[in-house]
Amino acid sequence: DGGITQSPKYLFRKEGQNVTLSCEQNLNHDAMYWYRQDPGQGLRLIYYSQIVNDFQKGDIAEGYSVSREKKESFPLTVTSAQKNPTAFYLCASTHRTGAGGTEAFFGQGTRLTVV
Amino acid sequence: AQSVTQLGSHVSVSEGALVLLRCNYSSSVPPYLFWYVQYPNQGLQLLLKYTSAATLVKGINGFEAEFKKSETSFHLTKPSAHMSDAAEYFCAVILPRGYQKVTFGTGTKLQVIP
Repeated sequence: DGGITQSPKYLFRKEGQNVTLSCEQNLNHDAMYWYRQDPGQGLRLIYYSQIVNDFQKGDIAEGYSVSREKKESFPLTVTSAQKNPTAFYLCASTHRTGAGGTEAFFGQGTRLTVV
Repeated sequence: AQSVTQLGSHVSVSEGALVLLRCNYSSSVPPYLFWYVQYPNQGLQLLLKYTSAATLVKGINGFEAEFKKSETSFHLTKPSAHMSDAAEYFCAVILPRGYQKVTFGTGTKLQVIP
């Protein structure tokens, strides 16, 4: 079955360490996204990518970095510059269908905790 | 640019009562609109979507939403709440052309009281 796979589901990081969250999709979708979710704040966009080797900053990109070397992969690195990285991270992808619609799918999320 | 406003961060209904979750959008052009549901510690699941076809959209689990351009609204309804409907619901918008940037509302937690 096609879908989006995020790994790991739970991740613990020590302060001052960089950590990379994985996101892989086999849906052949063009666009991919990273969102951060905190209680009461909904989903805030970190980065998004429309095509391979291209990505754009979202609303809260500081302290994060991404790459898009392959269509199916969009890893997110949480750097030591991110002051409050403990959160639930969601990866998503979209694809414009031939009828002009857009399908958006989500992974199951990674819960990152700084210890 | 587009934005989404969900009125009410928490909504409580009795089991069997009508569910109404409100969503208003702002967009330079008529957008595509979505409702998603999220259960604890899980990703988001698509409930329904509006992509410029019929303005009344039916989704999974008995939910439906109506696109009202004059009110810039896309409210989610269900005639009779079930205990399993307790979750967080997100409204989202994307422009039909150009960059595929999905913007979400802040979410509404639905509590169903037995």
